[in-house]
Amino acid sequence: ELKVEQNPLFLSMQEGKNYTIYCNYSTTSDRLYWYRQDPGKSLESLFVLLSNGAVKQEGRLMASLDTKARLSTLHITAAVHDLSATYFCAVDRGSSGTYKYIFGTGTRLKVLA
Amino acid sequence: DTGVSQDPRHKITKRGQNVTFRCDPISEHNRLYWYRQTLGQGPEFLTYFQNEAQLEKSRLLSDRFSAERPKGSFSTLEIQRTEQGDSAMYLCASSPRGGSYEQYFGPGTRLTVT
Repeated sequence: ELKVEQNPLFLSMQEGKNYTIYCNYSTTSDRLYWYRQDPGKSLESLFVLLSNGAVKQEGRLMASLDTKARLSTLHITAAVHDLSATYFCAVDRGSSGTYKYIFGTGTRLKVLA
Repeated sequence: DTGVSQDPRHKITKRGQNVTFRCDPISEHNRLYWYRQTLGQGPEFLTYFQNEAQLEKSRLLSDRFSAERPKGSFSTLEIQRTEQGDSAMYLCASSPRGGSYEQYFGPGTRLTVT
């Protein structure tokens, strides 16, 4: 059974600091997705990582994928308050033919001014 | 392209009542997914449609749940005899044929069962 784990589950950090969120998954997959969720809201797509070694950056966020290690990272550079949200990684089950997502546990980020 | 829409956005119902949610995917997206998200958790897969065919259902989807996608366009998710444990956010997502398999999520329907 595919499992996706994130750490940390909670992260409180000061503005201006850097930090990394980790996403580990248990079986082979070449595609990984990062989403952001604000309280009471739906999921906003951040990054789509489609191959080993993929790296994508948008503003203060950078995501990477290592399919051999079954690991993705979401790096936050010089955090600002607006980045406060819950971040989810998801892996799709392409082998099932449905490409349904298996989500990680989520990382709740709070950036303190 | 107006994105995935869901209706209603909020639903409060009494235990034992039936509820129905609607999802309108992005036009020409042939893949449609339903997920359920409880407080503090990641979304969990419920069911998948490819066009009008329901190809996979999670074990989470008990006999009280049914989903349809007539004509391969909008989809409905019905919960019969609601229970307090059904309280959650129900998310719909759609995805185009092929490509990156990226799913585009709707705003969700928040169900509260009292």
